[in-house]
Amino acid sequence: DAGVIQSPRHEVTEMGQEVTLRCKPISGHNSLFWYRQTMMRGLELLIYFNNNVPIDDSGMPEDRFSAKMPNASFSTLKIQPSEPRDSAVYFCASSRDSPTYGYTFGSGTRLTVV
Amino acid sequence: DAKTTQPTSMDCAEGRAANLPCNHSTISGNEYVYWYRQIHSQGPQYIIHGLKNNETNEMASLIITEDRKSSTLILPHATLRDTAVYYCIVVPLGSGTYKYIFGTGTRLKVLA
Repeated sequence: DAGVIQSPRHEVTEMGQEVTLRCKPISGHNSLFWYRQTMMRGLELLIYFNNNVPIDDSGMPEDRFSAKMPNASFSTLKIQPSEPRDSAVYFCASSRDSPTYGYTFGSGTRLTVV
Repeated sequence: DAKTTQPTSMDCAEGRAANLPCNHSTISGNEYVYWYRQIHSQGPQYIIHGLKNNETNEMASLIITEDRKSSTLILPHATLRDTAVYYCIVVPLGSGTYKYIFGTGTRLKVLA
């Protein structure tokens, strides 16, 4: 099992550019979560999906952020246009629909917007 | 969702037991207690969870008080690799997806 795979690991972009972060969940997991982590705000839940359907996007900071899950094996988080305050580590996690199992997190994407 | 309170930081000598407390005084009867840890620069890692009974696995033990208002995560023989931020989270039972809200956690430093 390769775990949750995120790409890229690091992204440096200029302010105003579009950024796309990618996530491949564990096969058989039907829930997917996007988190953002900064020193100031800690780990924040941005959005989560169940069976490819967005369930709660109340954590998405503003309209510049969007997330999609076109199928069970792929999700994207897009920021357009990016701003320096978007600099953070973005984590993707997946889980099964049961309290018996915890989340499995990916290694994260470190985004720097200059 | 119930909130949790954890000490900001703790130190532990290598080889000794690390006991990390968590207060969740407003926990409901249908909420689990989960523990995760985050080693620097990595994604959080699941450790253990429980409802009302004590639990043990290869990583740690979880002791939940009888009134369920607090719990303690025990790492029986801490090593330098256990240095991390430890998060205690309460999650409601029920069908469907379980949403985790992370607090600030306890920064555990294991000393040589």
